[in-house]
Amino acid sequence: QLQLQESGPGLVKPSETLSLTCTVSGGSISSSSYFWGWIRQPPGKGLEWIGIINYSGSTYYNPSLKSRVTVSVDTSRNQFSLKLSSVTAADTAVYYCMRHIPHIDYFDYWGQGTLVTVSS
Amino acid sequence: EIVLTQSPATLSLSPGERATLSCRASQSLSGYLAWYQQKPGQAPRLLIFDTSNRATGIPARFSGSGSGTDFTLTISSLEPEDFAVYYCQQRSNWPPALTFGGGTKVEIK
Repeated sequence: QLQLQESGPGLVKPSETLSLTCTVSGGSISSSSYFWGWIRQPPGKGLEWIGIINYSGSTYYNPSLKSRVTVSVDTSRNQFSLKLSSVTAADTAVYYCMRHIPHIDYFDYWGQGTLVTVSS
Repeated sequence: EIVLTQSPATLSLSPGERATLSCRASQSLSGYLAWYQQKPGQAPRLLIFDTSNRATGIPARFSGSGSGTDFTLTISSLEPEDFAVYYCQQRSNWPPALTFGGGTKVEIK
């Protein structure tokens, strides 16, 4: 059974960089069949797609966040990561990592989510 | 950017009743719409993709329909575990963007 688990600081100061890692178990991130990525959800609000990456490093980002987002992959550790720079309170959210199915472009496996609060 | 509008915001129903949820797009999606279920404190779960295809393990009481800009998720007979928030998601203008609707909460009446 594929499992995804987010990890990283739960508190980030304004203007700093948010960094999260997703560890994949029960399957290989090196499969060419999938992309891996991030979605966030501000408290009490809806879902926002952030970006995705595949095993070879090809990426797609939400145009509204593109200037601040970097998603990277470490196949040796079966992990992928998110960096979001210059954060503000508006970036406070639960961040989910997920598996993206290409060609149908939906998300079938998700991590449990991790709350990141931006505050001084 | 394609905007997805879900209605109603909240649907109050009793177990056993039929639930009909709507998702309207600002432009045609060519059928490229999915539905997710999210329970409190949990990640979303894929229910339906490309308008009407049930994801693996999803019960037959969940069905999707629609075309163009208007789509519907129907739960034929609500089970206690179906009370949750439901989101639609489009991939019509992908890349670059994948977007979600604002959600419909199905609550117990």
